[in-house]
Amino acid sequence: DVKVTQSSRYLVKRTGEKVFLECVQDMDHENMFWYRQDPGLGLRLIYFSYDVKMKEKGDIPEGYSVSREKKERFSLILESASTNQTSMYLCASSLGASGTDTQYFGPGTRLTVL
Amino acid sequence: AQKITQTQPGMFVQEKEAVTLDCTYDTSDQSYGLFWYKQPSSGEMIFLIYQGSYDEQNATEGRYSLNFQKARKSANLVISASQLGDSAMYFCAMREGWSGGSNYKLTFGKGTLLTVNP
Repeated sequence: DVKVTQSSRYLVKRTGEKVFLECVQDMDHENMFWYRQDPGLGLRLIYFSYDVKMKEKGDIPEGYSVSREKKERFSLILESASTNQTSMYLCASSLGASGTDTQYFGPGTRLTVL
Repeated sequence: AQKITQTQPGMFVQEKEAVTLDCTYDTSDQSYGLFWYKQPSSGEMIFLIYQGSYDEQNATEGRYSLNFQKARKSANLVISASQLGDSAMYFCAMREGWSGGSNYKLTFGKGTLLTVNP
């Protein structure tokens, strides 16, 4: 079974802090993704990576950056957290095959910025 | 324009009955894929079913089936014999293109909250 883990289920930070959200997958997947989920808005893609050290902006990259130094790990960075970044953050990975290429998700991190 | 539209914010169904969750999509690509995910209150996204644009048969996975109508650009999820454990948020998602780089992205709808009543 594919396993995607995220460093924290719940996180509380203060405005202006630098925040790191970590995601690790154990299935040698090529692709990794970061989404945020807000009520009534569904999931929105922040950044994704289809190779080590490669990254591409999603639909809402402003205020975020990412790092992928190793294939299994994809980090989301909030350089200076703001209250409007309070949200549920979901990490996913996929094999990188043509066709189906199902994304598998981690349990999510609920971030509160005070 | 939204690429994925789920018009039902909430749905109710009686246990053991079938329910259809609607999803329409918008793309100009000939190659694309449609996914359904379930998100229980615990928060984890669970993959349910996939339909490729070139698949001639509707996809089925156990009690889940996908009513794919390509000309109408709809990909409705049908859950047969609903169970209490089916109560969850359901998301429709689309992947445009077939392989490589940006084509691996998914665009999600806003979701439908299904409640199964005993």
